[in-house]
Amino acid sequence: QLQLHESGPGLVKPSETLSLTCTVSGGSISSADYYWVWIRQSPGKGLEWIGRTHSSGNTYYNPSLKSRVTISADTSKNQFSLKLTSVTATDTAVYYCARAIRESSVAGSYPLGMDVWGQGTTVTVSS
Amino acid sequence: DIQMTQSPSSLSASVGDRVTITCRPSQSISRYLNWYQQKPGKAPKLLIYAASSLQSGVPSRFSGSGSGTDFTLTISSLQREDFATYYCQQSHIAPYTFGQGTKLEIK
Repeated sequence: QLQLHESGPGLVKPSETLSLTCTVSGGSISSADYYWVWIRQSPGKGLEWIGRTHSSGNTYYNPSLKSRVTISADTSKNQFSLKLTSVTATDTAVYYCARAIRESSVAGSYPLGMDVWGQGTTVTVSS
Repeated sequence: DIQMTQSPSSLSASVGDRVTITCRPSQSISRYLNWYQQKPGKAPKLLIYAASSLQSGVPSRFSGSGSGTDFTLTISSLQREDFATYYCQQSHIAPYTFGQGTKLEIK
């Protein structure tokens, strides 16, 4: 059974870099059938899709965060990571990693629902 | 970005009731609409993907329908464990935005 687990600091100072890792067990992030996604949830903004990566190396980021975010994968450790630079209090949120089903056809590739989620990790930005 | 408008934002209902939640994207998203259930302190759980496909393990009292700009989630007979917050999400055009949520409470 596939499981995802987020890890990283729960407190980050303003202007510093938020770094989180998602460890995947029970399945491989090298599978071409899925995207690997980061999402966050805050009271003020609700659920926000941050970005995703795929085994092809293709990544896509939310344009609202694109200048500050990097998602990368380490297939040897079966992990993928999130880095968010220059954080402010508005980046305070619960951060989730998840797997999204990938549908591929002649019309293109689309993510379907996110079927497996980590438990979430709370990150607070404060001095 | 595509704006996702859910209605109602909150709903009171009783066990056994039939409940419908609506989601309307600001532009057409074909069938790329997903529904999630979230309980306090937990991650969202996928219920329906691609508008009408029931995720494995989800009870058949949950169903989804719609396409384009008009989607619904229906719970045919509410059970106690269904009281939660429900979100729609479009996965047609990135960034893949979510609705603001519908909180389903016990009457």
